[in-house]
Amino acid sequence: AQKVTQTQTSISVVEKTTVTMDCVYETRDSSYFLFWYKQTASGEIVFLIRQDSYKKENATVGHYSLNFQKPKSSIGLIITATQIEDSAVYFCAMREMSNYNVLYFGSGTKLTVEP
Amino acid sequence: GGIITQTPKFLIGQEGQKLTLKCQQNFNHDTMYWYRQDSGKGLRLIYYSITENDLQKGDLSEGYDASREKKSSFSLTVTSAQKNEMAVFLCASSIWTGNSQNTLYFGAGTRLSVL
Repeated sequence: AQKVTQTQTSISVVEKTTVTMDCVYETRDSSYFLFWYKQTASGEIVFLIRQDSYKKENATVGHYSLNFQKPKSSIGLIITATQIEDSAVYFCAMREMSNYNVLYFGSGTKLTVEP
Repeated sequence: GGIITQTPKFLIGQEGQKLTLKCQQNFNHDTMYWYRQDSGKGLRLIYYSITENDLQKGDLSEGYDASREKKSSFSLTVTSAQKNEMAVFLCASSIWTGNSQNTLYFGAGTRLSVL
């Protein structure tokens, strides 16, 4: 079974608007860590933002923020004031404390930001 | 800062051929990973290694061997290339401190095509 699921295959938005990308995860661990990564057109993958399961406050980094809904096992990525260069594939990922060396990835959401 | 170098960038093989992909990192990270990315899909873990001479199988290890003879390098061997196989193999590394918050740093990838 998929541990991390991203149902949105692709999203298209107009620049300067806000976009939310969905991600749901599955784990039996009480402690886990959730991540979002970005893969640009060149193939480069970079870390964006992290949410620790024991933290109630949503993480925020620059114009990226998270919507962590623990009862729903959901971790949405919100990008505000989108820019053309935000166009990329975004991956959600999870580490469980019971197997903390392994990072499980979702299938990705392709974001296109248009002028 | 550091860098992860994957060689070769492009690899063309023949069906049944044994192919080796190499990865070097200068972060001095303990843990290294090999992921496979098929077109339009997420990242699937093939092998990882938490220290020199350690090897751990991921979900996709069948058909692959790995080797971690030095802390800085991690190689992956496709034991018998499959006809028409096309994928990108991504190497990554992270610090092993027992802290699951550590993120992954990725190389640029090796693009494999099998004729």
